[in-house]
Amino acid sequence: DGGITQSPKYLFRKEGQNVTLSCEQNLNHDAMYWYRQDPGQGLRLIYYSQIVNDFQKGDIAEGYSVSREKKESFPLTVTSAQKNPTAFYLCASGRGINTGELFFGEGSRLTVL
Amino acid sequence: GQNIDQPTEMTATEGAIVQINCTYQTSGFNGLFWYQQHAGEAPTFLSYNVLDGLEEKGRFSSFLSRSKGYSYLLLKELQMKDSASYLCAVIPMSGGGSYIPTFGRGTSLIVHP
Repeated sequence: DGGITQSPKYLFRKEGQNVTLSCEQNLNHDAMYWYRQDPGQGLRLIYYSQIVNDFQKGDIAEGYSVSREKKESFPLTVTSAQKNPTAFYLCASGRGINTGELFFGEGSRLTVL
Repeated sequence: GQNIDQPTEMTATEGAIVQINCTYQTSGFNGLFWYQQHAGEAPTFLSYNVLDGLEEKGRFSSFLSRSKGYSYLLLKELQMKDSASYLCAVIPMSGGGSYIPTFGRGTSLIVHP
């Protein structure tokens, strides 16, 4: 079955540690996105990638990094520079042209202890 | 910048009809999505409007007026399982060809017996 998979679903981290969230899709989508969701804030865009080996900062990219070495994969690293990393992180993919919805992974909940 | 407004919370009775409004001010317009999100889960696609008018899909309908920057999601014959957050997302026009949905903060719908 085609879909988008995020892992881990839950993650705990100590302050000062980097952590990488995985996102894999087998939908053959060109575009991939990372959103952060906080209570009452809706979804805010961290990074997006329209094509392999290229990505762009979103509205809240500070303290995060990404890579897009393969079409299927778009991992997100939450670095120690991110001041308030506890949140629900959602990865999405789409055809990246002027039509079509985004498909979301099940999310990764990161808690910094 | 982009501005998308939705009510924060709504309540309704099982079996009734509810209308969730979304107004937007964006730099150009390439379409509007509605998503449903249950707590702690991924958003799931409900509807996509790019032209003015009403799109009906079972118990859910979505309306768009581009001249007014306005959309609504209409839910009929409400069921308890419809209790969820409903996200409005707009795709602004981008000169660079990027396709970046911008989300509102979501409307939390509570359906009671």
